[in-house]
Amino acid sequence: QKEVEQDPGPLSVPEGAIVSLNCTYSNSAFQYFMWYRQYSRKGPELLMYTYSSGNKEDGRFTAQVDKSSKYISLFIRDSQPSDSATYLCAMSAGNYGQNFVFGPGTRLSVLP
Amino acid sequence: DTGVSQDPRHKITKRGQNVTFRCDPISEHNRLYWYRQTLGQGPEFLTYFQNEAQLEKSRLLSDRFSAERPKGSFSTLEIQRTEQGDSAMYLCASTSGTSPYEQYFGPGTRLTVT
Repeated sequence: QKEVEQDPGPLSVPEGAIVSLNCTYSNSAFQYFMWYRQYSRKGPELLMYTYSSGNKEDGRFTAQVDKSSKYISLFIRDSQPSDSATYLCAMSAGNYGQNFVFGPGTRLSVLP
Repeated sequence: DTGVSQDPRHKITKRGQNVTFRCDPISEHNRLYWYRQTLGQGPEFLTYFQNEAQLEKSRLLSDRFSAERPKGSFSTLEIQRTEQGDSAMYLCASTSGTSPYEQYFGPGTRLTVT
């Protein structure tokens, strides 16, 4: 079992839909949770960063962390074709940012 | 400052050759990371610097790989005696001491070993 798992997709939704992206993990030591967006042949771009459990909202994006279930989610409201990309979750147990672990990513297509 | 930069963006080399990649982090960031990413996978941690000190290396980093950050600014990643399995995107990321979990990535160097 990999430390961090994501459904690879592809996930196709119509423009304007609410998108839900999820990761599960096995290491209960993870405390820091990040979501990245990666366009084809580009480097990942940080979208959201949360510490421990709870919700965090930034514009159309909401990140949720449920440490008891070892489950994190990213919601995208009013999805746009420009949101079409691969979404990566990443986690760290701490220790000043050493050893981030990434999920394999979910490919999202938002259809106009 | 326009962010993390990497050079070259693409490298094609023959098996057995040595290659070197460069990363220039965001200027005020003291932490620098190298990752490798293959198709359909997330980035895999390779190594991490705080200033000029290399603090952690993954067991993925065989002895053919070496990384340096001589003055705590730019970093280089060298792969000696390249193998076809080294073909991947090599990503560099940097963070600041005040926000160590907000990693900013460069565009990557795509290596193809023929």
